[in-house]
Amino acid sequence: DGGITQSPKYLFRKEGQNVTLSCEQNLNHDAMYWYRQDPGQGLRLIYYSQIVNDFQKGDIAEGYSVSREKKESFPLTVTSAQKNPTAFYLCASSIVPGPSGNTIYFGEGSWLTVV
Amino acid sequence: SQKIEQNSEALNIQEGKTATLTCNYTNYSPAYLQWYRQDPGRGPVFLLLIRENEKEKRKERLKVTFDTTLKQSLFHITASQPADSATYLCALVAGGSYIPTFGRGTSLIVHP
Repeated sequence: DGGITQSPKYLFRKEGQNVTLSCEQNLNHDAMYWYRQDPGQGLRLIYYSQIVNDFQKGDIAEGYSVSREKKESFPLTVTSAQKNPTAFYLCASSIVPGPSGNTIYFGEGSWLTVV
Repeated sequence: SQKIEQNSEALNIQEGKTATLTCNYTNYSPAYLQWYRQDPGRGPVFLLLIRENEKEKRKERLKVTFDTTLKQSLFHITASQPADSATYLCALVAGGSYIPTFGRGTSLIVHP
């Protein structure tokens, strides 16, 4: 089935560690996104990418890094510089948006907890 | 500053009634607005899109209205069912952009 696969579902990070969240899509979508969701909060955009080897910072990029070496993959690294990383992370994708709109398809999310 | 406001209090209704959720925004000129459903611990799922020049959109038991003068969208679920219980998020896309900005969502609880 086509979709977006995020892994791992649950991840624990020690202070000072970098961790990487995986996101793979087989929808042949050009655009990919990472959002962060805190309890009772809306989704906040971390990074997005419209094409391979190009990505843009979102509203809360500090302490995060991404790469887009392949169309289907958009991993997110949470670095030690991110002081409050405990959250629910959502990867998403969409076709190249056009005048008809941009429907976002989300993965099932990854829970990151600092221990 | 730009704001998207959704009622933070949960909406509790009885099965069979119509649920109405509100999304208000300020300092936006949206090209279109979307509604998503999110179940606990899962990713949001797209439901409906309505453009700035459209007043109303329907899909089965769902109806969305968009009033750019009031800067408000209403999301209706008719003949609601317990399975409709979830958090509903509205998202705006500004003209010239394609990145949705999401509201916090409103939790809907439908009681049998």
